[in-house]
Amino acid sequence: DTGVSQDPRHKITKRGQNVTFRCDPISEHNRLYWYRQTLGQGPEFLTYFQNEAQLEKSRLLSDRFSAERPKGSFSTLEIQRTEQGDSAMYLCASSSQIGTGLGYTFGSGTRLTVV
Amino acid sequence: GDSVTQMEGPVTLSEEAFLTINCTYTATGYPSLFWYVQYPGEGLQLLLKATKADDKGSNKGFEATYRKETTSFHLEKGSVQVSDSAVYFCALSDQYGGATNKLIFGTGTLLAVQP
Repeated sequence: DTGVSQDPRHKITKRGQNVTFRCDPISEHNRLYWYRQTLGQGPEFLTYFQNEAQLEKSRLLSDRFSAERPKGSFSTLEIQRTEQGDSAMYLCASSSQIGTGLGYTFGSGTRLTVV
Repeated sequence: GDSVTQMEGPVTLSEEAFLTINCTYTATGYPSLFWYVQYPGEGLQLLLKATKADDKGSNKGFEATYRKETTSFHLEKGSVQVSDSAVYFCALSDQYGGATNKLIFGTGTLLAVQP
């Protein structure tokens, strides 16, 4: 297993366009998380899936954002009608342990630039 | 809500100097605590972790002790190297039953080690 994969690595889009990012977690991990990291800040939680169920969404996730995890495998994060404030690094992480405090495996992220 | 506060950077040290990066947290319950490192152009990597009070996490010469009485998890290294230059993030994760186990990060501390 090569870890958590994210695609694309970089995305430049014009304001108002829709974008979609993909995350492939470690295959045996049932938990998947999306985070957003802006310059000079720590990552902020966006949403969480356990298998295919989306169990928590942050207030940061406006109605322009939608995430899915069909069949409990890969996940997609779509941003509709992008705004310049959406420019950030979008990180995906996966985990298999519940309540044991083990760390998560992060992907390398997708850097979004909205122009 | 839960939060993490870490010392602002940048921290600039000479090679072989002693490193301390302070981290304090606010949490209900008994979170697990983590230090993540982000090297230039790379994703987040777990550096070390501690799951209960008085636990000491250690890795690659770095150490941090979970201090419940002072709600702290300070990162230390006895002798830093140029290759340790990176951004360091302190984080906590809720661990109670049914929890999301999402990570809450501090803002990060940039460490620059000069030869």
